[in-house]
Amino acid sequence: NAGVTQTPKFQVLKTGQSMTLQCAQDMNHNSMYWYRQDPGMGLRLIYYSASEGTTDKGEVPNGYNVSRLNKREFSLRLESAAPSQTSVYFCASQEGGEQFFGPGTRLTVL
Amino acid sequence: GEDVEQSLFLSVREGDSSVINCTYTDSSSTYLYWYKQEPGAGLQLLTYIFSNMDMKQDQRLTVLLNKKDKHLSLRIADTQTGDSAIYFCAVVSGGSYIPTFGRGTSLIVHP
Repeated sequence: NAGVTQTPKFQVLKTGQSMTLQCAQDMNHNSMYWYRQDPGMGLRLIYYSASEGTTDKGEVPNGYNVSRLNKREFSLRLESAAPSQTSVYFCASQEGGEQFFGPGTRLTVL
Repeated sequence: GEDVEQSLFLSVREGDSSVINCTYTDSSSTYLYWYKQEPGAGLQLLTYIFSNMDMKQDQRLTVLLNKKDKHLSLRIADTQTGDSAIYFCAVVSGGSYIPTFGRGTSLIVHP
């Protein structure tokens, strides 16, 4: 049981480049989330998906898109990366009120 | 919406007790959580309390909930250097299943 997995672990992009962050969970959870974590800001919700086939904006969705490919996978796409998107990105799935987090992707945009 | 506040830093000596505090605004909060984040890792659930409880104890951890003041605390007894981490308070309010996280408290334990 791997829990929540994320790839890649680290990524460096140039301004304007695009990339997709991958997330998968093997716990059969319906809800999945993408957060970004910045120093002193805590966790900020980017997008979430209550179930397969649905996605909703969170607190800071601008500059991002998501896809809930199936129940297991929830990807986050940056179409044109900006330095303000330098952050650590966490994916999570949820059972009841408890969230299960992946190990994070550390993204730097130059 | 819900607003969750925590102080950013706490420094304690090894062997002392640590108390991490959290305040929230929504009186309809139902589930309250404490998560721990070790360096370079994701968050992991440490403990939780339901809104109909005042206290929960789990080995070295004690959670206290004061609903009147909307105040939640996490006490770690006999704090060890391995307890050094960021601790997040998270609250789920009635009508929503999405938790609202505080900004996290960095606990630094000195030998």
